[in-house]
Amino acid sequence: DGGITQSPKYLFRKEGQNVTLSCEQNLNHDAMYWYRQDPGQGLRLIYYSQIVNDFQKGDIAEGYSVSREKKESFPLTVTSAQKNPTAFYLCASKPPRGGSNQPQHFGDGTRLSIL
Amino acid sequence: GNSVTQMEGPVTLSEEAFLTINCTYTATGYPSLFWYVQYPGEGLQLLLKATKADDKGSNKGFEATYRKETTSFHLEKGSVQVSDSAVYFCALSLDTGGFKTIFGAGTRLFVKA
Repeated sequence: DGGITQSPKYLFRKEGQNVTLSCEQNLNHDAMYWYRQDPGQGLRLIYYSQIVNDFQKGDIAEGYSVSREKKESFPLTVTSAQKNPTAFYLCASKPPRGGSNQPQHFGDGTRLSIL
Repeated sequence: GNSVTQMEGPVTLSEEAFLTINCTYTATGYPSLFWYVQYPGEGLQLLLKATKADDKGSNKGFEATYRKETTSFHLEKGSVQVSDSAVYFCALSLDTGGFKTIFGAGTRLFVKA
């Protein structure tokens, strides 16, 4: 079955460490997205990529970095510059050429906590 | 700017009760509208969508109608079940701005047996 795989499901970080969250999709989607979700809040866009080797900042990109070297993969690095990284991180993708009427497909998320 | 506002939760209902979760939007242009559902510890799943005015999206007993005149997309279900307990997100998507989707804050629904 096609889908989006996020790993790990739970991740712990020490102060001052960078950590990388994995997102892989086998849906042949061009566009991929990273969101942050805090308790009781909606989704906030961190970064998005519409095509390989290209990505744009979302609303809360500070302290995060991404790469898009392959169509299937869009890893997110949470750097030590992100002062409050504890959150639930969701990766999503969207079918190509579908425009605004296509929904996003989501992975099951990674929960990041600070030790 | 573009935004989505949905009713605050939590909403607590008894099994077989009628559900309405209100959603209104502000958008330049003609957005597509979506309802997503999130179960505990999981990502979001598409529940239903509508892509133009007066369209009705429906799935699993849930319905929502795209009302351009009132800029609304309220979610309804005639008889909720315990298994419907989840967080529901209203969202819009536009063709501009990289096909980004704008989400509401989510409404948590608890259904009691």
